Amino acid sequence: DQQVKQNSPSLSVQEGRISILNCDYTNSMFDYFLWYKKYPAEGPTFLISISSIKDKNEDGRFTVFLNKSAKHLSLHIVPSQPGDSAVYFCVESGATNKLIFGTGTLLAVQP
Amino acid sequence: EAGVTQFPSHSVIEKGQTVTLRCDPISGHDNLYWYRRVMGKEIKFLLHFVKESKQDESGMPNNRFLAERTGGTYSTLKVQPAELEDSGVYFCASSPTWGPDNEQFFGPGTRLTVL
Repeated sequence: DQQVKQNSPSLSVQEGRISILNCDYTNSMFDYFLWYKKYPAEGPTFLISISSIKDKNEDGRFTVFLNKSAKHLSLHIVPSQPGDSAVYFCVESGATNKLIFGTGTLLAVQP
Repeated sequence: EAGVTQFPSHSVIEKGQTVTLRCDPISGHDNLYWYRRVMGKEIKFLLHFVKESKQDESGMPNNRFLAERTGGTYSTLKVQPAELEDSGVYFCASSPTWGPDNEQFFGPGTRLTVL
């Protein structure tokens, strides 16, 4: 049973526009939600996180929003750049320290 | 500072053979994790070492998988005997400390193909 769902396997946006990646979760017990980015032939790299007690966290061009009542998470990238093209994973993290990954969304930013 | 390294980058073996994957974490990182991604599915947790001790091995699929971290430095993951469904990418990660907001640094992965 998938705990973290990323229903869009892919997304294509134009350079300079906003990219919005969505994520839904089922388990409310986790303390943190994270986004990891992955380029081909590389391991995932941490991008941004949000505590379950917050509803927004911003870091430069990246903003993550958390809607606990809807059990929904989103990552906004603005403006999008071609170098942002990668697979983005929505991830849950809790007291056990293990990460629970979503299936990922492939973002393609067109020049 | 060197990142997490994994060896080999690729391994192709036949069903029933044994394969050993190696992970060298970032120097000074006490926490070491193994994950894998099979059949295009999500990346799944296998186990977590704190130094040389297994802190959490709840994700290990069965007793054909054996992970070790002797001396609390590098780790090995042995699959014996390998089955077709073991094919996938095996990632290792490390972190300096423990905690849900603690960034885990991933290696590039080992792609395992079982024929």
